[in-house]
Amino acid sequence: QSVLTQPPSVSAAPGQKVTISCSGTYSNIGNNYVSWYQQLPGTAPKLLILDDDKRPSGIPDRFSGSKSGTSATLGITGLQTGDEADYYCETWDTSLSAVVFGGGTKLTVV
Amino acid sequence: QVHLQESGPGLVKTSETLSLTCAVSGYSIRSGYFWAWIRQPPGKGLEWIGSIYHTGDTHHNPPLKSRVTISVDTSENQFSLRLTSVTAADTATYYCARHDFIAPTLRDFFDSWGQGTLVTVSS
Repeated sequence: QSVLTQPPSVSAAPGQKVTISCSGTYSNIGNNYVSWYQQLPGTAPKLLILDDDKRPSGIPDRFSGSKSGTSATLGITGLQTGDEADYYCETWDTSLSAVVFGGGTKLTVV
Repeated sequence: QVHLQESGPGLVKTSETLSLTCAVSGYSIRSGYFWAWIRQPPGKGLEWIGSIYHTGDTHHNPPLKSRVTISVDTSENQFSLRLTSVTAADTATYYCARHDFIAPTLRDFFDSWGQGTLVTVSS
C-alpha cells in the first residue's frame, strides 16, 4: 500500500487530454514539493515535472503539473502512442522522514 | 551530461548480502547533490532505499534502515549499496540516481537515473 494514492490505470484516445491524480496528506503533498516521472516499458524512470509544476529542459509543454491542498495532478495533452507508460508521483514525507512514491498509473493511448 | 551506471551480481543467495556500485561520469560527486538508490520489484512500483551526500550524510527509508549501508567513494566518483540478510522480497531492479534534495525547503527530485540492474535473490 503506497503512501501516495494514484489510479492504477487511465486511458484516452490519441490527440486527447488525460489527467493523473496523486492523493496524499499534509505530511507529504500538503507541505512539500511534488515530482512526476515517466517510465516507458523496459526503461528507467525519467523526470517529467519537478517542484509541483516545473518542466525540466527538454520536456514538452504537453506535460503539466499542478497541486491543490493534499493532491497533485499530472496533465498530458495531445496524447501520442509514445506516451504509453507508467507514471509515478513522488515527494518527501515529513512524518516518515522518507521519500515516498505513488503506486504508479499505467497510461494507455487507444 | 551526467551518466550513472550500476554494477554488481545479478544473483544473490537468500540470507546473504547484496552489494551494488554506481559509477558516476560527467559530474563530480564532490560538487554536490545527494546520490540515491531506488528499487522496483518485477511488475511493481518504485521504492526509495536511501540517499547519500559526498560528506557521508545519509538518509534511509525507515523499513530498510537496519539492513542498508550506503557509502560514497569520491576518489572513484562512485557510491555503493549493501543490503544484508536478503530474501526473495528483495528481488528487484535496482536503480541509482542523482537526488536533488534541499532539506530546509524539503524540495526533492531525481533528475538523472542509471539504466538499472536486476538482482534476483534465490536459494
